[in-house]
Amino acid sequence: IAGITQAPTSQILAAGRRMTLRCTQDMRHNAMYWYRQDLGLGLRLIHYSNTAGTTGKGEVPDGYSVSRANTDDFPLTLASAVPSQTSVYFCASSLGLEADTQYFGPGTRLTVL
Amino acid sequence: GQNIDQPTEMTATEGAIVQINCTYQTSGFNGLFWYQQHAGEAPTFLSYNVLDGLEEKGRFSSFLSRSKGYSYLLLKELQMKDSASYLCAGKESNYQLIWGAGTKLIIKP
Repeated sequence: IAGITQAPTSQILAAGRRMTLRCTQDMRHNAMYWYRQDLGLGLRLIHYSNTAGTTGKGEVPDGYSVSRANTDDFPLTLASAVPSQTSVYFCASSLGLEADTQYFGPGTRLTVL
Repeated sequence: GQNIDQPTEMTATEGAIVQINCTYQTSGFNGLFWYQQHAGEAPTFLSYNVLDGLEEKGRFSSFLSRSKGYSYLLLKELQMKDSASYLCAGKESNYQLIWGAGTKLIIKP
């Protein structure tokens, strides 16, 4: 692994289903983030984690949950997917919250029908 | 309120220079980023300005004026591979980033 990986690459999901998007980094970064990107809008922060064991809410957290059991992994769960959650989801990481640069994973394209 | 504004789309010619502007309003300013994003790919870091002035990195330069809430990204000697979206993001005092919608740059031969 080099950098950040996300899985799956894309997914079509029926409304009401539960879905977990996976994110793993091998850079030993303390901070990790989940964003969604929608056409015509900027990236919007869903949840973030400053360090293993801690998480925080971003701009659009409703309908999503995260956990940070260790440094490397930061899964995002949609408990009961709705069509408005159709989006491209990017995981990112940085040395710390105050760090200059966030590094992004390749993204997961999610369609909720 | 928190807001980042940048043009939706720009067109330029291969070999030319283009300037992409960004204006911002944030509740507490902690620096401004520029990222490049090719279609279907992840954003990649270009520059970070926290102090006023111009920072140059090869063909790309970024400028910041904190008093005017204004930044620009300058791309010189444009190449076809520079066709991409350019994202401006302001860092808040709580270290979260507020992102603009991006400027799609189209390079014509």
